[in-house]
Amino acid sequence: EPEVTQTPSHQVTQMGQEVILRCVPISNHLYFYWYRQILGQKVEFLVSFYNNEISEKSEIFDDQFSVERPDGSNFTLKIRSTKLEDSAMYFCATRGPIMGGNSPLHFGNGTRLTVT
Amino acid sequence: KNEVEQSPQNLTAQEGEFITINCSYSVGISALHWLQQHPGGGIVSLFMLSSGKKKHGRLIATINIQEKHSSLHITASHPRDSAVYICVSGGSQGNLIFGKGTKLSVKP
Repeated sequence: EPEVTQTPSHQVTQMGQEVILRCVPISNHLYFYWYRQILGQKVEFLVSFYNNEISEKSEIFDDQFSVERPDGSNFTLKIRSTKLEDSAMYFCATRGPIMGGNSPLHFGNGTRLTVT
Repeated sequence: KNEVEQSPQNLTAQEGEFITINCSYSVGISALHWLQQHPGGGIVSLFMLSSGKKKHGRLIATINIQEKHSSLHITASHPRDSAVYICVSGGSQGNLIFGKGTKLSVKP
């Protein structure tokens, strides 16, 4: 069965550094999402991406965050200048190809980001 | 604004018990998802439903669109069912709202 692949599985970075988290969606999917989960807390929505643009973003997704799909395959999340509170597990999810809400979600295994 | 409420937040059961986890949402949706997150952190999609009932093995998910309520049932629970179960509402534009999750612990 096709999978959503995230790399790296674990990233350690120093405060203030830029990080890029990568996700390879299932090939015919249309909707892409980034979520994060701070240790011990609920999963939080960051951003949704459809038709090569952001369709919705949360308050967490401030100017330090950006997403893009530069080559039509990888879906990336960039954090420009990391803060200690960005330490979390970041999940990529995709779905499609049915438009609208009626298609199953597929999650990657997550990237654990540790900011020191 | 759509809110997704799950209950209970924590649930401890003995092996073999029938388990029910509830989810309520406040705004009409196009689909509702049930996810399972194991202690290792990975998230697996269990069900996506927009009406009625779905069954997969010992898991059953139901939804009542009029009441904006869904339930996840586990029959003959087993310690390997121990996980966090998350309800997610899906809007027609593809946006998703996550519930806080129900932490289930099944004791042998």
